[in-house]
Amino acid sequence: AQSVTQLDSQVPVFEEAPVELRCNYSSSVSVYLFWYVQYPNQGLQLLLKYLSGSTLVKGINGFEAEFNKSQTSFHLRKPSVHISDTAEYFCAVRWGDQGAQKLVFGQGTRLTINP
Amino acid sequence: DTEVTQTPKHLVMGMTNKKSLKCEQHMGHRAMYWYKQKAKKPPELMFVYSYEKLSINESVPSRFSPECPNSSLLNLHLHALQPEDSALYLCASSQARDTKYTGELFFGEGSRLTVL
Repeated sequence: AQSVTQLDSQVPVFEEAPVELRCNYSSSVSVYLFWYVQYPNQGLQLLLKYLSGSTLVKGINGFEAEFNKSQTSFHLRKPSVHISDTAEYFCAVRWGDQGAQKLVFGQGTRLTINP
Repeated sequence: DTEVTQTPKHLVMGMTNKKSLKCEQHMGHRAMYWYKQKAKKPPELMFVYSYEKLSINESVPSRFSPECPNSSLLNLHLHALQPEDSALYLCASSQARDTKYTGELFFGEGSRLTVL
């Protein structure tokens, strides 16, 4: 079965430091990739998405991610984090035509920014 | 501001009550979703409606009953719930499968349900 793995459940980082949140998925056949952010007591907001084309994708709030087909990864990066980036981050994958409307989420990574 | 609106934001109900959660979107999307999210967990898909027809039911207990009255509205009727059903219920919408479909979901802010 297809799966999404977020390798770190928690990532503590100092303010203005760079951060990488890791995401791997189980199969590289025709994937569509997403990163969502969830602030406390809120819904999920799309940060960025990869559908096709350039493997480096830029999103909102200074985040970017790189699609690596050979490593089946879609890691999220930000060069300098702010206190306001403290949130839960979810990687999500849709596989080609399989269950077209099913978006599979990873377990989430809690990003905590320390001053 | 989210373009998917959910009401109520908070709901407390007893195990014998009947209540409903409501969701509305005006983005012209023809697919709508209910997700359940427990604390510190990812959202779990419950139901998908495509063109107002139920297309996916992820083996959800019958005490949860979805309804899609039109392309903009999605309801989740709740009856005889258990305390373990307490969670954040998220509604989402997307383009439907046979349009310019990208799989991107637009989420509401959720309805936090507590079952006593």
